[in-house]
Order: sequence, then structure tokens, then C-alpha cells
Amino acid sequence: EAQVTQNPRYLITVTGKKLTVTCSQNMNHEYMSWYRQDPGLGLRQIYYSMNVEVTDKGDVPEGYKVSRKEKRNFPLILESPSPNQTSLYFCASNPLFRGVVYNEQFFGPGTRLTVL
Amino acid sequence: QKEVEQDPGPLSVPEGAIVSLNCTYSNSAFQYFMWYRQYSRKGPELLMYTYSSGNKEDGRFTAQVDKSSKYISLFIRDSQPSDSATYLCAMTLASGNTPLVFGKGTRLSVIA
Repeated sequence: EAQVTQNPRYLITVTGKKLTVTCSQNMNHEYMSWYRQDPGLGLRQIYYSMNVEVTDKGDVPEGYKVSRKEKRNFPLILESPSPNQTSLYFCASNPLFRGVVYNEQFFGPGTRLTVL
Repeated sequence: QKEVEQDPGPLSVPEGAIVSLNCTYSNSAFQYFMWYRQYSRKGPELLMYTYSSGNKEDGRFTAQVDKSSKYISLFIRDSQPSDSATYLCAMTLASGNTPLVFGKGTRLSVIA
């Protein structure tokens, strides 16, 4: 089954304790991105990656890191989480078509993160 | 002015009703318009995708784009309880390498 998977689905942690949320897709998509979703603010893009070793900032990158060492994986790293990073996080992937990002995004199931 | 405005609802309708969901936007350069549906505790899934102005129909769903008014709509006919979800509009400047800009979503409940 074609899908985007994220782990963990739920995480409660404390301020300052480094964490990684994994994201993997099995559709051979080049483009991957991370969003956070907050009540009243909607979906906001954190980082995106056009391909392996190519990453760029989205709208709200502060406090986050990403890496893209393999095409299928795009982990989100919080080096020193803070309570304002409590949110629902989604990973998404898109195919490229003739070198251009195709607009249909496939979303993962979400990771609910609470930072105390 | 926010780039994409969407009434958050909640919107509650009886089963069988026609539902109209709307978004307005400020950037006239948007070319591609999408509607995503998000069930509780799930990721968004693409429902409808349109380019530029016009209508697109898929079963009980119709997407309309009016670029002159910077206004897009999603109509759901014969609404069902299974349509209860949050509906997000999204748009982008061009097909490629530009991020989607999402509305905040409208929560819809269809009551049996």
C-alpha cells in the first residue's frame, strides 16, 4: 500500500530533551515536507526537501532541523524542544513530474507532540 | 490581510443537505486550487484539484474557482454523515517548487 508513515504517533517529552520524529514514504517521491498544525493557525510548512541532500526552510523553521540522506526518509529533529513546539506534526510527500513538483500531497497520519 | 481566509465553522447540517464551503484569497498569482479533507486524528487527503477558473465535478463534490473574485468553493450534494470532517482549501502559485498555502479549515458535521 502506498503510504507515508510517521513515528511515533504520540510523544510527550520535557523541555530540552532532543527528539526525532521519523517519516518514511514508499512511493519513490522526490519531494517531502513537514508541517505543523495548530488550532486557529492551520497547517504551516516547517521544512521541505526537493531530493536527497537538498533541504530548505518553510514558513516556520525555527527550532527544527531536518535531513534527507535517503529518498524515502525525512526525519524531523528538535534539538531542544520547548513548550511552544507542542503541536500536531504532519509529514507529506509529492512526486515530481518532468522535474516539477506535482501538487497532490500525500500526508502521513500525524504525530501529536506535547512538550512539558 | 491573511493570504487565504476560510471560515472555521463549525458547520452543522442535516443529512442530505447541500453544503457550501468557501475560501477567499488575496494573491491573484495563485493558479492551482485544492480541497483536502481531514478526518479526526488523520492526515489531510486530497479531495479535489482544479487549475485556474471554472468548475470541476467528481461524484457528489463540485469545486468552483472564480479568479476574478479570488474566491473558491466546494459544494457537497446529498451530504452524508461520513462527510463529517474538516475541509481545508489550499492553493499555490504554479505547478512546481512553490509551497501550498492552506486555509485554516472548516469543520463540518453532517447529522443523521
